[in-house]
Amino acid sequence: EAQVTQNPRYLITVTGKKLTVTCSQNMNHEYMSWYRQDPGLGLRQIYYSMNVEVTDKGDVPEGYKVSRKEKRNFPLILESPSPNQTSLYFCASSPLQAGGNSPLHFGNGTRLTVT
Amino acid sequence: KQEVTQIPAALSVPEGENLVLNCSFTDSAIYNLQWFRQDPGKGLTSLLLIQSSQREQTSGRLNASLDKSSGRSTLYIAASQPGDSATYLCAAGNQAGTALIFGKGTTLSVSS
Repeated sequence: EAQVTQNPRYLITVTGKKLTVTCSQNMNHEYMSWYRQDPGLGLRQIYYSMNVEVTDKGDVPEGYKVSRKEKRNFPLILESPSPNQTSLYFCASSPLQAGGNSPLHFGNGTRLTVT
Repeated sequence: KQEVTQIPAALSVPEGENLVLNCSFTDSAIYNLQWFRQDPGKGLTSLLLIQSSQREQTSGRLNASLDKSSGRSTLYIAASQPGDSATYLCAAGNQAGTALIFGKGTTLSVSS
């Protein structure tokens, strides 16, 4: 089954403890992206990757890192999480780009709580 | 900077009604316009994608239109059902193909 898989689904952590949220897609997509969703603010892009080893900042990249060493994986790294990073995170992928003729495929989300 | 607005924020209708969800965007230089559905605790499911050169797309009871010149898109749902209850999000694809800019969504409730 074609899908975007995020892990974990739920994560509670403490301020400053490094964490990684994994994202993997099995559709051989070139483009991958991370979004966060907050009440009243909607979905905002954190980082995106157009291809392996090519990543760039979205609208809200502060406090996050990503890497794209393989086409299928695009982990989101929080080196020193803070309470304002408490949010619902989504990974997404598409064949070539976000604005092409194929829709974005989303994972089921990771709900992160930082205390 | 592109801004996407969805009106209304919430909508309640009885089963069987036809309804229209509205989406507006400030920059007409978009690559495409996508409509998604989000169920509580779940990810986003793509409903319809309209490329910038197209005017509308249809899938089953759903029809989405795009008017770039006026910066508007509508999602028409025919003969609504309780299973249509969800949050509907529209998103404009930027011309660089690097991002979708999302509206805040319309939460639809269809009562039986």
